[in-house]
Amino acid sequence: DAMVIQNPRYQVTQFGKPVTLSCSQTLNHNVMYWYQQKSSQAPKLLFHYYDKDFNNEADTPDNFQSRRPNTSFCFLDIRSPGLGDTAMYLCATSRDPDSYNEQFFGPGTRLTVL
Amino acid sequence: GESVGLHLPTLSVQEGDNSIINCAYSNSASDYFIWYKQESGKGPQFIIDIRSNMDKRQGQRVTVLLNKTVKHLSLQIAATQPGDSAVYFCAENKAGNQFYFGTGTSLTVIP
Repeated sequence: DAMVIQNPRYQVTQFGKPVTLSCSQTLNHNVMYWYQQKSSQAPKLLFHYYDKDFNNEADTPDNFQSRRPNTSFCFLDIRSPGLGDTAMYLCATSRDPDSYNEQFFGPGTRLTVL
Repeated sequence: GESVGLHLPTLSVQEGDNSIINCAYSNSASDYFIWYKQESGKGPQFIIDIRSNMDKRQGQRVTVLLNKTVKHLSLQIAATQPGDSAVYFCAENKAGNQFYFGTGTSLTVIP
């Protein structure tokens, strides 16, 4: 089945230790998104890629970076995680930004920073 | 980002009753809206969407109503079931790539 896959599902890291979260998709969608969702809060958009074009949200900290080496994969790099970065990180895709089309979400990676 | 807020953070309903979840959005330029259901430990799951040129759309047991005059969106769930217990988010899109989510309403269905 076509889907959005996130690895790992759970990640524990130490304060200041870089961490990379992975997302892959078999939907061949043009757009890939990364969201941060803290406990009992709504998902907050960090950035998205339209094909290879990177679009950062204005309030996304510099500590968060992303890479999209090809259509299928997108990575979230947190260079120096702080305690406040403990959250669920959600990857999503959508087919075409010029049409009304839904986002498909992965199951998320739950990150804990100790 | 834009503000998309929900009126009620929690909602409890009896099994079999109808549920209504509300959402207020602030950007009158938003032209596409989605309701998502999120169960504990999972990613959001698409329920139903509506474009700004519509005021009502129906799915299986769900109806979305859009009132552009007051910038209000609602999700109606008919004959609510225990499996409907989850957090429900509305999200708005402004003719581009960005989707902004509302606060969320936690729905609890009482058997």
